[in-house]
Amino acid sequence: DGGITQSPKYLFRKEGQNVTLSCEQNLNHDAMYWYRQDPGQGLRLIYYSQIVNDFQKGDIAEGYSVSREKKESFPLTVTSAQKNPTAFYLCASRKKGGGAYNEQFFGPGTRLTVL
Amino acid sequence: AQRVTQPEKLLSVFKGAPVELKCNYSYSGSPELFWYVQYSRQRLQLLLRHISRESIKGFTADLNKGETSFHLKKPFAQEEDSAMYYCALQGAQKLVFGQGTRLTINP
Repeated sequence: DGGITQSPKYLFRKEGQNVTLSCEQNLNHDAMYWYRQDPGQGLRLIYYSQIVNDFQKGDIAEGYSVSREKKESFPLTVTSAQKNPTAFYLCASRKKGGGAYNEQFFGPGTRLTVL
Repeated sequence: AQRVTQPEKLLSVFKGAPVELKCNYSYSGSPELFWYVQYSRQRLQLLLRHISRESIKGFTADLNKGETSFHLKKPFAQEEDSAMYYCALQGAQKLVFGQGTRLTINP
């Protein structure tokens, strides 16, 4: 499986610590996304970026931060301000434009557990 | 505002029976709809998109603008269809997902 990679697969964090989740893609996609997946709640958008050096808040951005310094990379930092960070985090990317012909491609995910 | 609703969190059917996973949407523009699937231990992936009007793994989905629905159907369920299914609506800048339906096919 190439395309989009996420690391680590599992991450454990103590309360009060910031952690950074990695997302890399080699698909030459312009847009990248971070979602949080919780049972019964579907996928909720945290942050997204349409272009390098620019990003927008999604529906649940509080307690998270991102950067987009390179086209291939879109790391997500879960800060100590995030009240309920234990979840499965998914990164996705998409080619710009194309409407319904351009779907999002997803990474394998990172499971974050706060101890 | 964009909204996608999947009313069933869990759906269980027997092998060989028909399957229908419901999806309703709310969107002021022209909708671009997708079904994504997540099999056990695999990453989330596209199953089908409304614009292609295709059948993938025996599944079809028809966009009904009058009822604002995009239900996923398969006439004869197979055990390998057991998975988590998400309906999604592409807006101007982002994809909005429904809450998901976990489909279990019983032997």
